[in-house]
Amino acid sequence: GAGVSQSPSNKVTEKGKDVELRCDPISGHTALYWYRQSLGQGLEFLIYFQGNSAPDKSGLPSDRFSAERTGGSVSTLTIQRTQQEDSAVYLCASSPAITGELFFGEGSRLTVL
Amino acid sequence: QKEVEQNSGPLSVPEGAIASLNCTYSDRGSQSFFWYRQYSGKSPELIMFIYSNGDKEDGRFTAQLNKASQYVSLLIRDSQPSDSATYLCAVRGRGSTLGRLYFGRGTQLTVWP
Repeated sequence: GAGVSQSPSNKVTEKGKDVELRCDPISGHTALYWYRQSLGQGLEFLIYFQGNSAPDKSGLPSDRFSAERTGGSVSTLTIQRTQQEDSAVYLCASSPAITGELFFGEGSRLTVL
Repeated sequence: QKEVEQNSGPLSVPEGAIASLNCTYSDRGSQSFFWYRQYSGKSPELIMFIYSNGDKEDGRFTAQLNKASQYVSLLIRDSQPSDSATYLCAVRGRGSTLGRLYFGRGTQLTVWP
């Protein structure tokens, strides 16, 4: 498909486990974003990558969260030692440039028991 | 964190009416503004962007921007039940946060037949 692809679509894990969420952006898009959305809340910015520049990590809520983008394409968001408050939908988006016109994937719903 | 405020609603209008969605923002220097629509259980999708003061029309949608009042709105004319969704206002950062998009919590709109 031509859209942003995220996996897994659903993840249930136990408190304290590590999880990895994957995002495959639209081909040719240089900017990639991670947001999270808790029930009834707005979108919380986590991190964004633009080309070969250093990522803006300032939205990551704690050092348990990290993300990387390999080869300017696929990105992985890793949450270590998950906590119940990490439960949310994690949304990845890509953009052809940093214009604000984001194309979102369907999200990864994380539930921490 | 930039502040983007929206009336949480819910806003309920009859089919055929005009729905008016409002948004205010805290950074007077902001230049780029976006409206995203999010259907229940789905990801946000961009419906309009506006950069200049005044009105911008696209079909049944009109975005209005007043930078002096730090106010942006979205009007939906001839509202349809298919317009029922949450509408997210977003403001692009500037300077060191140019690549970041700040979202409001969204206004839930219901259009009843």
